[in-house]
Amino acid sequence: AIQLTQSPSSLSASVGDRVIITCRASQGISGALAWYQQKPGKAPKFLIYNASSLHSGVPSRFSDSGSGTDFTLTISSLQTEDFATYYCQQFYSYPLTFGGGTKVQI
Amino acid sequence: EVQVLESGGGWVQPGGSLRLSCAASGFIFSNYAMNWVRQAPGKGLEWVSTIDNGDDRTYYADSVRGRFTVSRDNFKSTLFLQMNSLRDDDTAVYYCARGTPGTIFDYWGQGTLVTV
Repeated sequence: AIQLTQSPSSLSASVGDRVIITCRASQGISGALAWYQQKPGKAPKFLIYNASSLHSGVPSRFSDSGSGTDFTLTISSLQTEDFATYYCQQFYSYPLTFGGGTKVQI
Repeated sequence: EVQVLESGGGWVQPGGSLRLSCAASGFIFSNYAMNWVRQAPGKGLEWVSTIDNGDDRTYYADSVRGRFTVSRDNFKSTLFLQMNSLRDDDTAVYYCARGTPGTIFDYWGQGTLVTV
């Protein structure tokens, strides 16, 4: 199975900060990586995949990049509603796998 | 509006069985793969199973293969997960999620809690 390692596992940031979360795959997955946001007690929400293909309704401050084994999710200017846990997920091959998550805290 | 709504969760003894359902609306159900993803208390996300549209091909995580069975009823726009031989480590919130081509989970339900 393809392992996804996210870093950092948590971070503290302020409103307006630029935040970068990384996801490293244990083997090459081309561009087959998606990102999700989850708030406490809520279901995850799909954000973005494949180099900035934003899901409907997702603000443009979210962007992603990467290919092969190294990927990043960038929030250009952190807003209050962005404090949450973020997960990467590879859809290159089965079994589908998620990263361990990155908690973005105030 | 795309919606998926899980039901069927609850408390079950180890070794028992449970059947989850996911009712979909707002899209043509038969055109999409459907998925189950779970989250143990305080833990991250774990993919459980996928069923393709068209040929109904199924895929399972190693942790559930041979114990869980995914199926779908396109006429009723409903996804199912039959869970047998349940273990303590199956305790989790189970989410139903629509799958785009390539199996990205683009719409999620609110989840149903299974406690073993």
